[in-house]
Amino acid sequence: EAQVTQNPRYLITVTGKKLTVTCSQNMNHEYMSWYRQDPGLGLRQIYYSMNVEVTDKGDVPEGYKVSRKEKRNFPLILESPSPNQTSLYFCASSLLPGQGDEKLFFGSGTQLSVL
Amino acid sequence: GDSVTQMEGPVTLSEEAFLTINCTYTATGYPSLFWYVQYPGEGLQLLLKATKADDKGSNKGFEATYRKETTSFHLEKGSVQVSDSAVYFCALLPLSGGGSYIPTFGRGTSLIVHP
Repeated sequence: EAQVTQNPRYLITVTGKKLTVTCSQNMNHEYMSWYRQDPGLGLRQIYYSMNVEVTDKGDVPEGYKVSRKEKRNFPLILESPSPNQTSLYFCASSLLPGQGDEKLFFGSGTQLSVL
Repeated sequence: GDSVTQMEGPVTLSEEAFLTINCTYTATGYPSLFWYVQYPGEGLQLLLKATKADDKGSNKGFEATYRKETTSFHLEKGSVQVSDSAVYFCALLPLSGGGSYIPTFGRGTSLIVHP
């Protein structure tokens, strides 16, 4: 089954304690991205990657890091989380433009609370 | 930059009522347009899409037509069901080129359907 898997689903942490949210896809997609969803603001892209070792900032990259060492994995790293990073996070993947069906596949989300 | 504006919710309807959720966009060139749906506790999933002017996307009784002249992509359904209760996101994907690939999402419209 084609899917994007995020872990964990829920995470409560304290300010300054480094954390990683994992994301993996099994569809051989080049493109992967991270979004945060906040009430009244919709989805905002944090970082994206168009291939292994190629990452770019989205609209709200401050306070986040990503890496793309393998095609299937795209972890989101918060080196020093702060309360304003409390949010619902989604990972997504798709083919690149021009490769075929332009459709984002989303993970089930990670609800992060930073105390 | 690109932007997507959709009507604020919540939209509250009785079962079998007609649904319209308005979406307008600003973008360079002719982007692809999408509607995604998010059911409670889940990630977003593609509902329908249109890739060029006058295209009509349709799925599960929902329809939307890509109107270049009014830069709109309004979502409609003739008879809603309780199971359609969800949050709906309008989104655009810019044409490839320039290396950037940042989809733009609207803020989401919550739909509540009562029996």
